[in-house]
Amino acid sequence: DSGVTQTPKHLITATGQRVTLRCSPRSGDLSVYWYQQSLDQGLQFLIHYYNGEERAKGNILERFSAQQFPDLHSELNLSSLELGDSALYFCASSPWTDERNEQFFGPGTRLTVL
Amino acid sequence: ILNVEQSPQSLHVQEGDSTNFTCSFPSSNFYALHWYRWETAKSPEALFVMTLNGDEKKKGRISATLNTKEGYSYLYIKGSQPEDSATYLCASLNDYKLSFGAGTTVTVRA
Repeated sequence: DSGVTQTPKHLITATGQRVTLRCSPRSGDLSVYWYQQSLDQGLQFLIHYYNGEERAKGNILERFSAQQFPDLHSELNLSSLELGDSALYFCASSPWTDERNEQFFGPGTRLTVL
Repeated sequence: ILNVEQSPQSLHVQEGDSTNFTCSFPSSNFYALHWYRWETAKSPEALFVMTLNGDEKKKGRISATLNTKEGYSYLYIKGSQPEDSATYLCASLNDYKLSFGAGTTVTVRA
């Protein structure tokens, strides 16, 4: 158990809908990262927040957005969902500002878009 | 999207044998190389983060080396045990963007 929690564990929804995935980092960690793991692709970096501020963006679609709240939990919002958005979404946290240090991964949220 | 490649894609090793596999990454604007262990139905777990050319790190029977000039890292498992069965992911930090390889899946046969 890494200490990172993600809810929900599973989410099934329909195309065109909007969902919110939630991540609570380890106690004291200021950085939160979001990743997407699709069936045919490796882990893809989406976005990084540090202490409430966006630090870096990866391959994140315009339909997706994220934020980190004052209590440091983060939410990933996915809208106008398409079948191809079905994936395992991980968040990871770390105490540091950048990616030169290890990250601690949550258990993931499996999103199925029907 | 940066090209981080891992080989082989999968391997089978007999319990007690040692094995190793490779991660190739771009050497330009390189900052760090991560190794993660990912067991089925669990989340990736950090093994090592290396930043300097020639770095070697060890955790129990698992060790890793880093060559930043030629852009490769090796992960070694000594005396493989069934609990070492997992997918091992590497990730390269270039230009402050972290790119993951597809992983090497190791199956240890008893």
